[in-house]
Amino acid sequence: GQQVMQIPQYQHVQEGEDFTTYCNSSTTLSNIQWYKQRPGGHPVFLIQLVKSGEVKKQKRLTFQFGEAKKNSSLHITATQTTDVGTYFCAGFPVLYNFNKFYFGSGTKLNVKP
Amino acid sequence: DTAVSQTPKYLVTQMGNDKSIKCEQNLGHDTMYWYKQDSKKFLKIMFSYNNKELIINETVPNRFSPKSPDKAHLNLHINSLELGDSAVYFCASSQRDRPSYEQYFGPGTRLTVT
Repeated sequence: GQQVMQIPQYQHVQEGEDFTTYCNSSTTLSNIQWYKQRPGGHPVFLIQLVKSGEVKKQKRLTFQFGEAKKNSSLHITATQTTDVGTYFCAGFPVLYNFNKFYFGSGTKLNVKP
Repeated sequence: DTAVSQTPKYLVTQMGNDKSIKCEQNLGHDTMYWYKQDSKKFLKIMFSYNNKELIINETVPNRFSPKSPDKAHLNLHINSLELGDSAVYFCASSQRDRPSYEQYFGPGTRLTVT
């Protein structure tokens, strides 16, 4: 069945270090979204990528969508303690007609001050 | 104003009981969802309704029954609660015809079954 895998599961960094999480799908995606969930909170939408090879930036966050539209990455430059949380990708397979997203397993980021 | 609200926020109950969780969105969205997030943080979709019509029904035990009285509300009723039902349940909504379909999540309901 459809799976969206995300690695790593956990990442501990020192404040100021960079961080990257990767998302891989077993099938082609029409788009991919990224969400952030703070500890004790709920997932919050960050961005959506639609085009093959697309790159988008939000301040220190850089999002990429692979050429084959099967993988994506989120890179954070110079992490801050406010970046702490779990980052999820959510892929929308091209074969489906509904608003059904497959969420990745998430990467939990801890930033030491 | 809260965009997606859920009640209750916490629910502690015993095995075998029946409970309901309510969800309301004031965003005017036409699609609503229920997700289950377990202790390992996996987010799994359970149900999705579009304009009160069930469009996604994942492999969920029959003890779980969603109900959508109107576009703005999606409730979840759980019969005969089991220990494995303990999790955080998130409601979410989105607008199907918008380009980005981003989902807005409610604050979650932490269900603990003892």
